[in-house]
Amino acid sequence: GAVVSQHPSWVICKSGTSVKIECRSLDFQATTMFWYRQFPKQSLMLMATSNEGSKATYEQGVEKDKFLINHASLTLSTLTVTSAHPEDSSFYICSLLNSRTDYGYTFGSGTRLTVV
Amino acid sequence: GNSVTQMEGPVTLSEEAFLTINCTYTATGYPSLFWYVQYPGEGLQLLLKATKADDKGSNKGFEATYRKETTSFHLEKGSVQVSDSAVYFCALSDLAGGFKTIFGAGTRLFVKA
Repeated sequence: GAVVSQHPSWVICKSGTSVKIECRSLDFQATTMFWYRQFPKQSLMLMATSNEGSKATYEQGVEKDKFLINHASLTLSTLTVTSAHPEDSSFYICSLLNSRTDYGYTFGSGTRLTVV
Repeated sequence: GNSVTQMEGPVTLSEEAFLTINCTYTATGYPSLFWYVQYPGEGLQLLLKATKADDKGSNKGFEATYRKETTSFHLEKGSVQVSDSAVYFCALSDLAGGFKTIFGAGTRLFVKA
C-alpha cells in the first residue's frame, strides 16, 4: 500500500508565528490529499481537500486564510497554520486517497502542534 | 448526508475478554466501510475494511461484517490483549461523498492485565 510521510511529528511555536506541515506520498502519485484536525479525545474533523494543481476545497467553518494548503506536486501537500494562536493547538493528520485499494485511505502519522 | 455512529467509550475489558464495538452508518450511496486504530500519540492505522454488503474484513484477530440490512459494521475480537488498548474509529467513504472519509467519534478501549 501507499506510504505517507508527515513532517514534523510535533512542533511547538510561539503565538503569532506560522507553522508548515508537510505530507508526502512516498510511493504513490496522489492527486487528492485530505487534511484533518483532531482535538484531544475527539474524532477527526475534515478541514480541507487538497487537489494537485488547483485550489483546496475547505469544509464549512475552516478559515482559508488561516490554514493555507498547497498541493504543488503529486507527492507533496503542505498545510501552513498562519499566525498561530493557542486555540490552534491540535493534532493534524493528512491522508491520501488510494484508488488502488478500493478507495481506502492511508494516513500520515500526524503532527502535534502546540502554540504557546 | 453521510454519517457514522459508534458506541461511546471508554470500554474497559480484562485480557482475553470478548470485544464488540458497535458501529452504524447512514449513507446515500454504496460506501466502503473501515475501522481505524489509533495508538497513543500516533496517527491512524487502517485496521480492516469492507467494500460491499456481506463482506467481512479481518486483521490481527479483529473482524467486522458489512451488514447492509442493518447498516452496521460492528467490530469484534474474540480475545483482547493489553496491546489492543487504543482508540478505534469506524469510518465510511463513497463516491457520492466525494471520497471524503466520515469518521465516528471513536471508542477508547482499555484492556487490563
